[in-house]
Amino acid sequence: DVKVTQSSRYLVKRTGEKVFLECVQDMDHENMFWYRQDPGLGLRLIYFSYDVKMKEKGDIPEGYSVSREKKERFSLILESASTNQTSMYLCASTGDRGVPEAFFGQGTRLTVV
Amino acid sequence: QKEVEQNSGPLSVPEGAIASLNCTYSDRGSQSFFWYRQYSGKSPELIMFIYSNGDKEDGRFTAQLNKASQYVSLLIRDSQPSDSATYLCASFGNQFYFGTGTSLTVIP
Repeated sequence: DVKVTQSSRYLVKRTGEKVFLECVQDMDHENMFWYRQDPGLGLRLIYFSYDVKMKEKGDIPEGYSVSREKKERFSLILESASTNQTSMYLCASTGDRGVPEAFFGQGTRLTVV
Repeated sequence: QKEVEQNSGPLSVPEGAIASLNCTYSDRGSQSFFWYRQYSGKSPELIMFIYSNGDKEDGRFTAQLNKASQYVSLLIRDSQPSDSATYLCASFGNQFYFGTGTSLTVIP
């Protein structure tokens, strides 16, 4: 059974804190993605990675950074959390072989107070 | 212009009816198209993908793709209350683009 696991289901952080969201996949996928999902705005791509130590900006990278030191792990970092980063964060991964179905983690509901 | 546009709904159908969900995309380089179902508070899960023109059927679900018109649709036959969810359309060329989703309610 394929698995994408996010480290936390719910998080509450204070404004200005540095926040780490972790994502691990066990499918040996090359590609990993971080999205945020907000009502009426759908899924918006923050960053993605095609390979270890590679990263590409998505549509809304401001205020975020990422790290991919190992193939199975993709971390999203909020350098200084702000209230407008309160959202649902979704990690996804896909492989390079066959149809690129995106498998999603269970999501992290982050609240910044 | 968004890469993928969906009719936002909400869409309500009675149990047993056909639900029709529509999606258009702007990138002609997109090669694969996906329909995801997302229950409230949950992450998206794949229902179907399609990459050739025409219809693809899987149980009660039929995906339709028309590349000339840049149009993708999902038909759900014999709709059930458990089908009530938000449905996300996605395209893939060199990255995924998601629509904002269509909320479907199936009324018992």
